[in-house]
Amino acid sequence: NAGVMQNPRHLVRRRGQEARLRCSPMKGHSHVYWYRQLPEEGLKFMVYLQKENIIDESGMPKERFSAEFPKEGPSILRIQQVVRGDSAAYFCASSPPMREAFFGQGTRLTVV
Amino acid sequence: KQEVTQIPAALSVPEGENLVLNCSFTDSAIYNLQWFRQDPGKGLTSLLLIQSSQREQTSGRLNASLDKSSGRSTLYIAASQPGDSATYLCATFISTGNQFYFGTGTSLTVIP
Repeated sequence: NAGVMQNPRHLVRRRGQEARLRCSPMKGHSHVYWYRQLPEEGLKFMVYLQKENIIDESGMPKERFSAEFPKEGPSILRIQQVVRGDSAAYFCASSPPMREAFFGQGTRLTVV
Repeated sequence: KQEVTQIPAALSVPEGENLVLNCSFTDSAIYNLQWFRQDPGKGLTSLLLIQSSQREQTSGRLNASLDKSSGRSTLYIAASQPGDSATYLCATFISTGNQFYFGTGTSLTVIP
């Protein structure tokens, strides 16, 4: 059973471009969480999804950011028109309902 | 809103010492509490999960305790080794919530 897979591991985008971050949860896990970690800061919740549903997006900026978890395929975090302040590590976690969470290795986004 | 605090923020100990990391939380209505380890530039590795009905969990040299009523958890590391050097994070999932609330971590350095 492979762990939570995130790709790409590193992503460089110029200001104004789009960033697409992918997360494949562990097999059998129906819940996906996205977190952002800024340098020297803690993990900040962004969004919680179940298959085809956004359950809680209270931590996600209202503009430029969107997330999905389709019936088939990985969960996607999309950032449109990236700015330098979006540079961070983005982590995805998956779990069965209310159980142990497993995190991926993260995607490190650098906006130049 | 759940607030999670970890003390100390940083800790440096000589190899072989036993040590205790502290985690406190404001909302005692937690579903579970999880301890993670994060190495620089890496993802989070799950160490121990304690369900709300449990008092402690053990894995090798690690022992985590939970006191819901006082809003505290401790992670005990026995006979520390240089390879234990990392940032340790605790996270709670509250019964009425949709996310894991993280502390800001304790950065541990074990000196050979």
